[in-house]
Amino acid sequence: SQQGEEDPQALSIQEGENATMNCSYKTSINNLQWYRQNSGRGLVHLILIRSNEREKHSGRLRVTLDTSKKSSSLLITASRAADTASYFCATDQAGTALIFGKGTTLSVSS
Amino acid sequence: DVKVTQSSRYLVKRTGEKVFLECVQDMDHENMFWYRQDPGLGLRLIYFSYDVKMKEKGDIPEGYSVSREKKERFSLILESASTNQTSMYLCASSYGLALNQPQHFGDGTRLSIL
Repeated sequence: SQQGEEDPQALSIQEGENATMNCSYKTSINNLQWYRQNSGRGLVHLILIRSNEREKHSGRLRVTLDTSKKSSSLLITASRAADTASYFCATDQAGTALIFGKGTTLSVSS
Repeated sequence: DVKVTQSSRYLVKRTGEKVFLECVQDMDHENMFWYRQDPGLGLRLIYFSYDVKMKEKGDIPEGYSVSREKKERFSLILESASTNQTSMYLCASSYGLALNQPQHFGDGTRLSIL
């Protein structure tokens, strides 16, 4: 399968802590995207990082990309209960369409 | 803001029925996609379209067809519904060259085939 893989599958933390989730993929890419999905809803785009970028920030989100290791990480700082959701990475490694990973389920308790 | 609207949030149909799932986007996006989402399997692409009357097979097109007669509307058709097509179906759209643009998703249709 060409699917990316998120790690861990599930993560439980307390409010105020940082959450880190990782994504690995198999072949070369031009860009990688992260999405969030709240329970029972559609996916929402968070951030896109291109293959020539190493790090990108958006508010409390920090994304890194290591093309030599074929991996990316999403860091959410100072987590809130509202960050409880599933997080997916998506890559263009197929060349014709995005490939989504299976997701990391984040639970933030107050 | 981009709005992608799926016609039903929940749908229950019977085995053998022909099922239509409708999706409409309001941002004049060229590209539209249909995915299904199952626990442990993530999102899998069924079909996508880069233009009106144009369609491309995704990873799991068997048992499905699509129609795109107008730019804003992309329909997924289950020709003869089966129980293994019980799933969450997600529609998405994007602008321009699909792979370097974010996809905008509808809230999904949870389809049960009895």
